[in-house]
Amino acid sequence: SAVISQKPSRDICQRGTSLTIQCQVDSQVTMMFWYRQQPGQSLTLIATANQGSEATYESGFVIDKFPISRPNLTFSTLTVSNMSPEDSSIYLCSVGASSMNTGELFFGEGSRLTVL
Amino acid sequence: SQQGEEDPQALSIQEGENATMNCSYKTSINNLQWYRQNSGRGLVHLILIRSNEREKHSGRLRVTLDTSKKSSSLLITASRAADTASYFCATDIRASGGGADGLTFGKGTHLIIQP
Repeated sequence: SAVISQKPSRDICQRGTSLTIQCQVDSQVTMMFWYRQQPGQSLTLIATANQGSEATYESGFVIDKFPISRPNLTFSTLTVSNMSPEDSSIYLCSVGASSMNTGELFFGEGSRLTVL
Repeated sequence: SQQGEEDPQALSIQEGENATMNCSYKTSINNLQWYRQNSGRGLVHLILIRSNEREKHSGRLRVTLDTSKKSSSLLITASRAADTASYFCATDIRASGGGADGLTFGKGTHLIIQP
């Protein structure tokens, strides 16, 4: 298993500002993912955070809006840029349990953002 | 687009009863997983069933998989108040088995266990 810490756990932000969410894992992991969960909805994969290279973004998500860093195998950040109320969501960091892509995922507790 | 679709969207039962949730998906998969989420918190992995398996048990959980119908069910027996949560099925996005890909989650079933 992996223990994942996310910061901040929640924040209230003003329209037009940017916020960086941090994800710290207690062990080295190959795969790290960022998900978004809009109010009352399911999880949508934003991107895969790759160590040493650019993140791989899913359709509908772009680097300018959601820049991601992955400086090492235990840490990643997701920035939500130029926020609007539509960005109000829970953002979740997750890691793969093994090097295979079909294994289970471990999740952080999420960062609940409210944009006014 | 969402791969998994759960039904019902919401389910309310009495404590001690069994709860059954269903999930349908659209494309070929390597495996299907079920997760639980308590009120806006992180998800917890419950069980994984591989595409060549038909049924799997873990404690009070029973999962079935029918690849011909592209569907799965999660049964929670002898439900408890602590089982109140949202339950999501998830499949690997790209079934090629290669690369570091995430999961696609269904819309979820919100389960309420009434004491």
